[in-house]
Amino acid sequence: AQTVTQSQPEMSVQEAETVTLSCTYDTSESDYYLFWYKQPPSRQMILVIRQEAYKQQNATENRFSVNFQKAAKSFSLKISDSQLGDAAMYFCAYRSAEKSSGSARQLTFGSGTQLTVLP
Amino acid sequence: DGGITQSPKYLFRKEGQNVTLSCEQNLNHDAMYWYRQDPGQGLRLIYYSQIVNDFQKGDIAEGYSVSREKKESFPLTVTSAQKNPTAFYLCASSIGRISGANVLTFGAGSRLTVL
Repeated sequence: AQTVTQSQPEMSVQEAETVTLSCTYDTSESDYYLFWYKQPPSRQMILVIRQEAYKQQNATENRFSVNFQKAAKSFSLKISDSQLGDAAMYFCAYRSAEKSSGSARQLTFGSGTQLTVLP
Repeated sequence: DGGITQSPKYLFRKEGQNVTLSCEQNLNHDAMYWYRQDPGQGLRLIYYSQIVNDFQKGDIAEGYSVSREKKESFPLTVTSAQKNPTAFYLCASSIGRISGANVLTFGAGSRLTVL
C-alpha cells in the first residue's frame, strides 16, 4: 500500500517570501500521479498543482512549483512571493495510474501542513 | 455556476440515530466520492461510485452506506453502527471513469457532531 508523509505539521512564512513544504511517499509502482491540494479556512479542498510521474519536468502553476525527485520519492511544494491568501492547510496526495480490476485509483493523502503567512 | 453542493453544513446527531448527508453535483461528472477528515489526519476514502447504480467500498466503509440512483447525487448515510462518526465529511467528483489522472473537485463539506 502506498503511504504519503508530510513531516511538517506547521510552517510559517513572511509575506512576499518563499516557503517549501515537504512530502515523501512510498510506492512500488512506476507510474502514478502526485497532487498538492489546499484547504483554506472555508474547508473546501482546492487543487494547487499536479505532477505525472513519467514527466521529468517539474510542474509549475504561477507562484507554485514542485521539486519532484522520483528516485528519492520526494515531492515538495514551493510557494514564491507568499500572499496572505496562501494561508491554509496543504495536503500532498498520491494516486496510482495503473489499471487493475476493482481499484479505485483512490487518492492517498498525507496528514497535512498548516501554513501561516505573517504580514 | 457548476460545482458540488453538500448539505447540511452542520449536523448534530444523537447516538443511535442514522443521518444522511447530501451531495449534489451539476458538473456532469461520472465519478463521485465520499471522504472523511479527522483532525491531524489526511482524508480517508469511505465510498466511491464510477457510474449510476454502482458503488464500491473505500478504506473505512464500515458503518456507512451510500446510493447512486442519479448521476448528480451521491448521498451518504452514517448509521448507528459507525462507532465514532464525529468528523468532517467531504464529497468529491471527477469527470469520466476513475483513473489516476482525474482531478477531483470537492464540495465545501459537512460537519457531523454526535452528542
